Amino acid sequence: DAGVIQSPRHEVTEMGQEVTLRCKPISGHDYLFWYRQTMMRGLELLIYFNNNVPIDDSGMPEDRFSAKMPNASFSTLKIQPSEPRDSAVYFCASSPTGQPNGEAFFGQGTRLTVV
Amino acid sequence: AQKVTQAQTEISVVEKEDVTLDCVYETRDTTYYLFWYKQPPSGELVFLIRRNSFDEQNEISGRYSWNFQKSTSSFNFTITASQVVDSAVYFCAFLRGAAGNKLTFGGGTRVLVKP
Repeated sequence: DAGVIQSPRHEVTEMGQEVTLRCKPISGHDYLFWYRQTMMRGLELLIYFNNNVPIDDSGMPEDRFSAKMPNASFSTLKIQPSEPRDSAVYFCASSPTGQPNGEAFFGQGTRLTVV
Repeated sequence: AQKVTQAQTEISVVEKEDVTLDCVYETRDTTYYLFWYKQPPSGELVFLIRRNSFDEQNEISGRYSWNFQKSTSSFNFTITASQVVDSAVYFCAFLRGAAGNKLTFGGGTRVLVKP
């Protein structure tokens, strides 16, 4: 299996622009997670899905952030409008079962820079 | 609220030295799970180990070993005879037994192994 695939790997955008991050989880995994990593706040869970349904979005910072999972093989995290403080590495992870028994497999992340 | 503290931000060792990474957690829960993840320079997070709060047995996997002590709320990680490939950021994480899938990560410890 190719693992969790995220695109793009790097994104540079201007403040106010819309940004869409994409994730393809490992086939057969029922759980999908979006994390954000910054120097100031470390790794934070933004939202997770189970069988394409959002379960907990309490980590989503504000209404500018939205996530969707239209099918089992694809998810997006959208920021509109983007701001410089959104600059971070965004990780997608998938798991065959829920925690704690399910090991989460992470993608390589998307490094977002908002200028 | 749960909290995970990794007091060491960076450790530098010479190859073949042992290195121990500290992890201290705070919780009032009796059922919980602890994890270690490795983040190599390529960026993705790699699962290393999961322990539950009822199993204090120490674990060894090759050059890696883990020491879980509930009395001190610590879950320390030792790399024996370190190698250059061990250079990475290592994260300790906590999961409440009844909290679904929301991992709380420590701030990470960067390990630099010099040849």
